[in-house]
Amino acid sequence: DQQVKQNSPSLSVQEGRISILNCDYTNSMFDYFLWYKKYPAEGPTFLISISSIKDKNEDGRFTVFLNKSAKHLSLHIVPSQPGDSAVYFCAARRNQGGKLIFGQGTELSVKP
Amino acid sequence: NAGVTQTPKFQVLKTGQSMTLQCAQDMNHEYMSWYRQDPGMGLRLIHYSVGAGITDQGEVPNGYNVSRSTTEDFPLRLLSAAPSQTSVYFCASRDPANYGYTFGSGTRLTVV
Repeated sequence: DQQVKQNSPSLSVQEGRISILNCDYTNSMFDYFLWYKKYPAEGPTFLISISSIKDKNEDGRFTVFLNKSAKHLSLHIVPSQPGDSAVYFCAARRNQGGKLIFGQGTELSVKP
Repeated sequence: NAGVTQTPKFQVLKTGQSMTLQCAQDMNHEYMSWYRQDPGMGLRLIHYSVGAGITDQGEVPNGYNVSRSTTEDFPLRLLSAAPSQTSVYFCASRDPANYGYTFGSGTRLTVV
């Protein structure tokens, strides 16, 4: 049972435009959501997170939106840069001591 | 400050062989975990530990053993390697002060 789903395996965007990566979840008990970025041959690195009590969190070019009623979150990157090309993982946890459950990942390609 | 260190980076095993993937962290984190990354499957939790002497199973524990004798080290053992265990393995530790996980750079394992 895939509790966290990223249904788009890949996304291609032109440099300077907006990238929107989507993530759906099924467990309404998740209280914290995170996005990780992964370059080839490296481990995932933390990008941005959001608590379930908020609906938006912004950090520079990166904004995460949470729609709890739809059990959906999205990551917006504006403007997109070629260095943003990577695999992006959505993750969720159920409580402070809870395990982190990851989605399948979306490979973003930003073309110059 | 090395963070999370994984060794080896690459390994080829024959079916039936055993080996141990090493993971060490120098951040004094209590929580450590092992994930495997497979195409289209994202990151799946194998085993985790909330402190020395305490381990528990994740989503895909079969074929793997772990132990946690110290806070710093969390080795993952493959008792009898199978081709289905061909994957990239990531070790991660969690800072209790925030919700972020720090990942190692991974071990790429091929079982032939």
